[in-house]
Amino acid sequence: DAGITQSPRYKITETGRQVTLMCHQTWSHSYMFWYRQDLGHGLRLIYYSAAADITDKGEVPDGYVVSRSKTENFPLTLESATRSQTSVYFCASSVAGGRRETQYFGPGTRLLVL
Amino acid sequence: AQSVTQPDIHITVSEGASLELRCNYSYGATPYLFWYVQSPGQGLQLLLKYFSGDTLVQGIKGFEAEFKRSQSSFNLRKPSVHWSDAAEYFCAVGATGANNLFFGTGTRLTVIP
Repeated sequence: DAGITQSPRYKITETGRQVTLMCHQTWSHSYMFWYRQDLGHGLRLIYYSAAADITDKGEVPDGYVVSRSKTENFPLTLESATRSQTSVYFCASSVAGGRRETQYFGPGTRLLVL
Repeated sequence: AQSVTQPDIHITVSEGASLELRCNYSYGATPYLFWYVQSPGQGLQLLLKYFSGDTLVQGIKGFEAEFKRSQSSFNLRKPSVHWSDAAEYFCAVGATGANNLFFGTGTRLTVIP
């Protein structure tokens, strides 16, 4: 049972480049989420998706684009990376939406923007 | 608006000692509360959650948490800490109308032999 995986695990890029972070889950969960983790902020929601082709903004969506053409994949794209996007990115999934649902997290992608 | 505060950024305890990590929430209705643990280089793993009923919740790895409405708290406890418990711990709240969780800033736990 692979669960939820993220790739790459580590990425170094330069300011202005486009970067795509991949997230794949094998549970057929309806909901998927992207969070970023920064010191002093905990985890903040970037985008989430309720199902294929349904996405919505979270707390910090600026500079990011998501898509979800298949239930199992939820890529996050930084269209033109900035230094402020240096962070650890976590993908998560849940069976359904709502405040009582347990979210299951991937191992994270550490992104450094030079 | 909902929010979670974890007052302790870093806590150091000796192996075998008891542990209590603090979590305070701000939310108008009955909160749905979670504790997650993040081991170094890993994703977050659910330790336990509270929705309703018994205010003392048991979780995995010997952890428990107590919901105290009067104090708006949901503190995590463990009677005897093991070296493998060294990690970062996050408290989170689920809010009505939201599909995501709102996380605190985390508490890093160091365990000394």
